[in-house]
Amino acid sequence: EAQVTQNPRYLITVTGKKLTVTCSQNMNHEYMSWYRQDPGLGLRQIYYSMNVEVTDKGDVPEGYKVSRKEKRNFPLILESPSPNQTSLYFCASSPGQGNQPQHFGDGTRLSIL
Amino acid sequence: GDSVTQMEGPVTLSEEAFLTINCTYTATGYPSLFWYVQYPGEGLQLLLKATKADDKGSNKGFEATYRKETTSFHLEKGSVQVSDSAVYFCALSGNNFNKFYFGSGTKLNVKP
Repeated sequence: EAQVTQNPRYLITVTGKKLTVTCSQNMNHEYMSWYRQDPGLGLRQIYYSMNVEVTDKGDVPEGYKVSRKEKRNFPLILESPSPNQTSLYFCASSPGQGNQPQHFGDGTRLSIL
Repeated sequence: GDSVTQMEGPVTLSEEAFLTINCTYTATGYPSLFWYVQYPGEGLQLLLKATKADDKGSNKGFEATYRKETTSFHLEKGSVQVSDSAVYFCALSGNNFNKFYFGSGTKLNVKP
C-alpha cells in the first residue's frame, strides 16, 4: 500500500530536549515536505526536499532542521524544542515538483512543555 | 508573496444542501490550485486540482473552477452528505513549484 509513515504519532517532551520525527514514503517520490498545522493558520511549510541531498526552506524554518540522505526518508529535527513549536506536524511527498498532488502522512502531534 | 484566503467556518448545512466554500489567492504568474480534505485524525487528501485558467477540477461531486480574472477557486457541491463533514483546505503552488501555501481551512458540518 502506498503510504507516508510518520513516527511518533504523539509526543510530549520538555523544552530543550532534542527530538526527531521520522518520515518515510514507499512510493519512490522525489519531492518531500514538512508542514505544521496550527488553529486558524492552516498548514505552513517548514522545509522541502526536491531529491536526495537537496533541501530548502519553506515559510517557517526557524528552529527546525532536516536531512535527506535517502530518497525514502526525510526526518524533521528539533535541536532545542521550545513551547511555540507545539503543533501538529505533517510530512508529505509527491512524484516530482511540489505543484503535483501530495500524499500526506497521518500527522505527529508534538507538545513541548 | 503568495497567499490563500478562504472563508472562515464552521459551515453547518443540512444533508442535500448546496455547498460553496470561497477561496481567493494572491500569486504572481500562473499558480496551480488545489483543494484538500482532512477527515478527523487523518492527514490531508487531495480532493481536486486545476493547473491553468478556466480549468475545472472535479471529484466525488465536488467542483472548483480556476478563475484568473477574480483570482478565485471556490469549492462547490450540489448536494452534501453527512460523510462530507471534514475540514477543507484551499492551496496553491506558485512560480516556485516547490513551495506550497495553504488557506486556514474551513470546517464543514453536515447534519442529517
